[in-house]
Amino acid sequence: QKEVEQDPGPLSVPEGAIVSLNCTYSNSAFQYFMWYRQYSRKGPELLMYTYSSGNKEDGRFTAQVDKSSKYISLFIRDSQPSDSATYLCAMRKAAGNKLTFGGGTRVLVKP
Amino acid sequence: GAVVSQHPSWVICKSGTSVKIECRSLDFQATTMFWYRQFPKKSLMLMATSNEGSKATYEQGVEKDKFLINHASLTLSTLTVTSAHPEDSSFYICSVAGGSADYGYTFGSGTRLTVV
Repeated sequence: QKEVEQDPGPLSVPEGAIVSLNCTYSNSAFQYFMWYRQYSRKGPELLMYTYSSGNKEDGRFTAQVDKSSKYISLFIRDSQPSDSATYLCAMRKAAGNKLTFGGGTRVLVKP
Repeated sequence: GAVVSQHPSWVICKSGTSVKIECRSLDFQATTMFWYRQFPKKSLMLMATSNEGSKATYEQGVEKDKFLINHASLTLSTLTVTSAHPEDSSFYICSVAGGSADYGYTFGSGTRLTVV
């Protein structure tokens, strides 16, 4: 079993819809959580960073962390075709500096 | 976060030759950088952790003699793929730990290596 599980998709939504992404993890040692967006043949771009349970909002993006359930989510409101990309969740333990990535979810926003 | 520059963005080389990829932290003195490899439609695989002024720490299964990492300054880490073979063809990405604050890591734009 992988430490971080993420549905590979693809997830196809119409423009303007809410995109809902999530990851589950098995190791309670993960304390820091990140969401990255990666366009084809580009490096990942940090979207959200959280370190506590609860919600964090930044523009159209909302990240949720539920440490008790070992579950994190990313919501994208008013989705645009330019949001079409692969979204990767990543986590880090309090001790150490390595990131552990989910497999990524491919998202397609159709005009 | 930090601003990271990675070069080249793509390179084609012949089998048996060596290729060097540079990763620069433009606005932050990075004591730690990371090198990843990514296969098509797959997630990132950590190859090694690069520490300024000391030897890199390689992940299990990564050949340290094939993938040479040098982190001689706080702003530059290099990955050299030695004696490249077609199976080394991949997307290589570096990242910097930290930046204006110790937040999510910043990634370079990646290097697509094709060995022919």
